[in-house]
Amino acid sequence: DGGITQSPKYLFRKEGQNVTLSCEQNLNHDAMYWYRQDPGQGLRLIYYSQIVNDFQKGDIAEGYSVSREKKESFPLTVTSAQKNPTAFYLCASGRPPGETQYFGPGTRLLVL
Amino acid sequence: GDSVTQMEGPVTLSEEAFLTINCTYTATGYPSLFWYVQYPGEGLQLLLKATKADDKGSNKGFEATYRKETTSFHLEKGSVQVSDSAVYFCALTGNNAGNMLTFGGGTRLMVKP
Repeated sequence: DGGITQSPKYLFRKEGQNVTLSCEQNLNHDAMYWYRQDPGQGLRLIYYSQIVNDFQKGDIAEGYSVSREKKESFPLTVTSAQKNPTAFYLCASGRPPGETQYFGPGTRLLVL
Repeated sequence: GDSVTQMEGPVTLSEEAFLTINCTYTATGYPSLFWYVQYPGEGLQLLLKATKADDKGSNKGFEATYRKETTSFHLEKGSVQVSDSAVYFCALTGNNAGNMLTFGGGTRLMVKP
């Protein structure tokens, strides 16, 4: 089946720790995106990538980093610099311009 | 910049009631407009979309018409079911090279039997 997978479903971070969220797609989409969702709120863009080895900051990139070494994969690292990381993280992919973005099931990050 | 405004929820309806969730937008040029639905604990699923003025998107009994003159994309359904209970997001992609989505704040719909 074609789609987007995210892992893990739940992730716990200790103080000062970096954690990495996985996102994989087999839809052959060029573009991939990371969004953050806080309770009762809409989605905010963290980073996006239009092609392999290239990515751009979104509205709330501070404290996060990404890589795009393969077309299928766009992992997100939440660094210790992100002081309020507790949120629901959603990965998406699509074919610009103006085309539909398809979302993964999300990863919920909690701080211990 | 681009923005999307949705009516605040929660919206509580009885089964078989008529649903309207208002969405208005601000964008330059000719954005594409989307409605996504999010069930508890899950990611977003595309519900419907429209790419140009006067287009009507429809899916699973839901409809929305792209109204450029009123910059609106209101979501409607004639008869809601308990299974429609979810959070609904209106979104647009403007004239940006990255095709980034701008989301409204979401509207929670609760349908009671």
